[in-house]
Amino acid sequence: DGGITQSPKYLFRKEGQNVTLSCEQNLNHDAMYWYRQDPGQGLRLIYYSQIVNDFQKGDIAEGYSVSREKKESFPLTVTSAQKNPTAFYLCASRDRDRSSYEQYFGPGTRLTVT
Amino acid sequence: AQKVTQAQTEISVVEKEDVTLDCVYETRDTTYYLFWYKQPPSGELVFLIRRNSFDEQNEISGRYSWNFQKSTSSFNFTITASQVVDSAVYFCALSEAQAGAQKLVFGQGTRLTINP
Repeated sequence: DGGITQSPKYLFRKEGQNVTLSCEQNLNHDAMYWYRQDPGQGLRLIYYSQIVNDFQKGDIAEGYSVSREKKESFPLTVTSAQKNPTAFYLCASRDRDRSSYEQYFGPGTRLTVT
Repeated sequence: AQKVTQAQTEISVVEKEDVTLDCVYETRDTTYYLFWYKQPPSGELVFLIRRNSFDEQNEISGRYSWNFQKSTSSFNFTITASQVVDSAVYFCALSEAQAGAQKLVFGQGTRLTINP
């Protein structure tokens, strides 16, 4: 089945540690995105990538880093510089060849930092 | 700047009632896309519908219908004869069709609870 995989579903870390969230897609989509969701709020864009080896900052990139070495993978690292890392993180992808613009989402990773 | 407002934070209705979720947007572009997503308790966002700014026809899909009105910058979503399985958080989103990443701007979401 084609889709987006995020692992793990729940992640716990101690304050001061970097942590990397996985996002893999087998939809052959060029564009990939990372969003953050806080309770009772909408999604906010952290980083996005339109093609391999290229990515841009979104609205709340501070304290995060990404890489895009392969088309199917777009891992997100939450660094110790991120002041409030506890949140629900969603990865998405989009087919740039289609002028449809909808993004398809993975199941998300809930990160708790204590 | 783009903005999406979902003024209804939470809605609770009894099963079989009709319910409308409001969405108001702001954009300076003449070409844009509007979306609705459903987020069930599992957390994954499920794509429901896309509408472009040149197509104001209302759309119906089973019990779901969408009313797009450019004159009021609104894209409202109605569920007819609601069911418990419709309980979820619903997000409205906007994307400007400019060259680039086609980023989505989301509203804050409406939590819909359907009571049996």
